Order: sequence, then structure tokens, then C-alpha cells
Amino acid sequence: EPEVTQTPSHQVTQMGQEVILRCVPISNHLYFYWYRQILGQKVEFLVSFYNNEISEKSEIFDDQFSVERPDGSNFTLKIRSTKLEDSAMYFCASRFSQSMGEKLFFGSGTQLSVL
Amino acid sequence: RKEVEQDPGPFNVPEGATVAFNCTYSNSASQSFFWYRQDCRKEPKLLMSVYSSGNEDGRFTAQLNRASQYISLLIRDSKLSDSATYLCVVNSMNYGGSQGNLIFGKGTKLSVKP
Repeated sequence: EPEVTQTPSHQVTQMGQEVILRCVPISNHLYFYWYRQILGQKVEFLVSFYNNEISEKSEIFDDQFSVERPDGSNFTLKIRSTKLEDSAMYFCASRFSQSMGEKLFFGSGTQLSVL
Repeated sequence: RKEVEQDPGPFNVPEGATVAFNCTYSNSASQSFFWYRQDCRKEPKLLMSVYSSGNEDGRFTAQLNRASQYISLLIRDSKLSDSATYLCVVNSMNYGGSQGNLIFGKGTKLSVKP
């Protein structure tokens, strides 16, 4: 089965530093997402991306966050100035369409620890 | 009201038991419903989609009640390997009426004991 790949698997950073989380969605997918999960909490939607622009974002996705698809394969999440509360598992996901029942494929996640 | 609500559990059951999970959702316009499984510190993985007529996949049966905005998952003859957190997932709706991103419940933890 095709996979969404994420790098790195773990990222440790100091508060106030910038981090970039990287994802390679499945090659023929058109919709890309970032979710996060704080330890012990639910999976939370951050942002969706389609046709080279943000299609939807949550309240969590404030000015400190940005996403980019710099080439035909990568999809990145940047946090400009990390805070302690940004510590979480960040999941990238993709799917071919937003049709009813269309499966969403998740990457294995990047565990971000902000010290 | 929370968008997707689940009993957090944990459900501790012996091998071979039948266990049922319930979920309610707040957006009556939602069209797509799923059960995902999440192992500790891993990514969510799709277990099954949920259709209006109900559907079954081996030991797993999912039901949808649109009138009550209620989704269920039944696991029969539970195995040790079924131990995980089960996530109820519903699509949101964009303002234009098209389907949006997926909204996750907090999950119900299942522990199957020998």
C-alpha cells in the first residue's frame, strides 16, 4: 500500500526556534493535511491544502504556522517561533479527493518536543 | 456541544468477549463517517467506513443512525491484538456545503486481556 512519509520522526527544539516538519504525500493525491495530537488528547485538525493554497484552517493554525508545497512532492509545516505548548505529535495526511468516504492516509508522525 | 463525542473508556475485556463502542456527532450535515484505530504513539489507521445501511468486516460491525446522530462499532470475539484506541471520525462541512476535513473524537481505549 502507498505511504505518506514524514521526517524527522523526532524533533527537539528550544522555545522560540523555528522548526520545519516535512512530509511526502502519496504521489497522485491532491488534498494534503496537517493534524496534531498533544499527548493524551484527541487528534486535532490544523490545516488543509489543495491546488497550492490553504483551503481550510483551524483556530490553532495562527500566524506562527505556515505550510508550503515547494516542489511536486514535499509538503511542509513551519512553526516560526515555537512555544512549549506546541509540543505534540504532528501527523501529515493526504487523500485523492474529498468525495464521500474517500480514505485519508496518515504518515507515521513527527514527535515535536519544545524545551 | 463537542463535535464528536465518545466514551473514553478504558474498556477492559477478556479475550473472546464482544464489545461495543458508541459515538455521537453534532453536525447533522455530515456525510462521511469512519472508525479509525490508533495504537500507542502511532498514526491513526482506517478500520472501516460507516455506511447508512450498516456494514460488516469480519468481526467488526459498524452502524449509523442519522436521526440520532449516533455511530457504533461492535467487535466480536475480541483478540489481544484488538487492544488499541478506537477513534470515531466524522467529516466537517464547508460553508459552501462541500465536504471538509475530518473531525476526530478523543477515542475509546480498549484493552483485551488473556
